[in-house]
Amino acid sequence: DIQMTQSPSSLSASVGDRVTITCRAGQSISRYLNWYQHKPGKVPNLLIYAASTLLSGVPSRFSGSGSGTEFTLTISSLQPEDFATYYCQQTYSTPQYTFGQGTKLEIK
Amino acid sequence: EVQLVQSGGGLVQPGGSLRLSCTASGFTVSNYYMTWVRQPPGKGLECVSVIYSGDNTYSADSVKGRFTISRDISKNTLYLQMDSLRAEDTAVYYCARDVGYYDTNAYYYVLDVWGQGTTVTVSS
Repeated sequence: DIQMTQSPSSLSASVGDRVTITCRAGQSISRYLNWYQHKPGKVPNLLIYAASTLLSGVPSRFSGSGSGTEFTLTISSLQPEDFATYYCQQTYSTPQYTFGQGTKLEIK
Repeated sequence: EVQLVQSGGGLVQPGGSLRLSCTASGFTVSNYYMTWVRQPPGKGLECVSVIYSGDNTYSADSVKGRFTISRDISKNTLYLQMDSLRAEDTAVYYCARDVGYYDTNAYYYVLDVWGQGTTVTVSS
């Protein structure tokens, strides 16, 4: 299985801050990288696929970049509704998908 | 409306069995890859089992030989049969639709529709 490692595991930030989450793959996965947002008691919500393509309806303050083994999710100006846990997921080795361990974004 | 509605789950003793169901509306489960994902308490997401083209299946090493994914076309329902359950199988289980989005000459698979989740607790 392809190992996915996110950093940091948790992050405290304030409304209006710019935050960046990193996801590293154990081998090259080209651009087969998705980002999900997960809030307690809710189902995971797809934000970005193909490393940088924003799903329709996702606010433009979210952006993704990277290819190969290193990827980033950036939120340009944090809003109150953005505090959640974020997961990266590789789909290069379909159907053996793997998720990162998650990054919990908390209010400072 | 495209949605997945889950049923099953609950409390079971170690070594016991449970079957989770996931009924689709607005689309046909046999036309898509379908996935079960779980989240143990305080931990992250793990892809457990996938059913894909030709009803081929994949299961993570942690559940291989114990969990079986299947689908019933007549009921438009996905199942996860869980046998020989262990304490470490305690988790919220989600079913999800797996679809390919076309982007720059390739299909990129995503989990775009999710069931509401169901809790499985393995404890004596």
